[in-house]
Amino acid sequence: NAGVMQNPRHLVRRRGQEARLRCSPMKGHSHVYWYRQLPEEGLKFMVYLQKENIIDESGMPKERFSAEFPKEGPSILRIQQVVRGDSAAYFCASSPYWDQETQYFGPGTRLLVL
Amino acid sequence: SQQGEEDPQALSIQEGENATMNCSYKTSINNLQWYRQNSGRGLVHLILIRSNEREKHSGRLRVTLDTSKKSSSLLITASRAADTASYFCATGSSTSGTYKYIFGTGTRLKVLA
Repeated sequence: NAGVMQNPRHLVRRRGQEARLRCSPMKGHSHVYWYRQLPEEGLKFMVYLQKENIIDESGMPKERFSAEFPKEGPSILRIQQVVRGDSAAYFCASSPYWDQETQYFGPGTRLLVL
Repeated sequence: SQQGEEDPQALSIQEGENATMNCSYKTSINNLQWYRQNSGRGLVHLILIRSNEREKHSGRLRVTLDTSKKSSSLLITASRAADTASYFCATGSSTSGTYKYIFGTGTRLKVLA
């Protein structure tokens, strides 16, 4: 049973480009969470999604950031017109619908904006 | 404001010594978890302690939770060079149907061989 998968593991973008980060939850998990870790800091909650629904996006920046979790396929975190301050590690976690306490984390995508 | 604050921010010890890290938080929680993160890598779950528990053990790890003081500690006994990593506490609580973990800023542990 594969764990949470994220790709790419490393992503380099120039300012103004778009970044797309993908997360495939563990098999059977219907809940996905995205967290961001700025350099030398802890992880901060961004958004919580279920299939085809955004449940809580209270941690998402109001502009340029969006997330989706379609019926089929991975969850996508999209950052438009990236700026240097978006450079961070982005972690995805998943949980089964019956146990939100147990969140399994992926290896993260490290985004570097030049 | 930051929910979890780890103390100390950095810790350097000799191999074989014990390492103690503390975490303080501000609001009510359902549980608290400790994670390890090696440099540039993902998170490794170490231990979960629920709000009605006071102490848990796992191998060389011992976690305590004092809900009256809103604090937790992680003790690593007989440390090894391989324990060198950042350690984070994460407090879990449910708000309006969303279960969120709020992470502290971490303690950077260096174990010298």
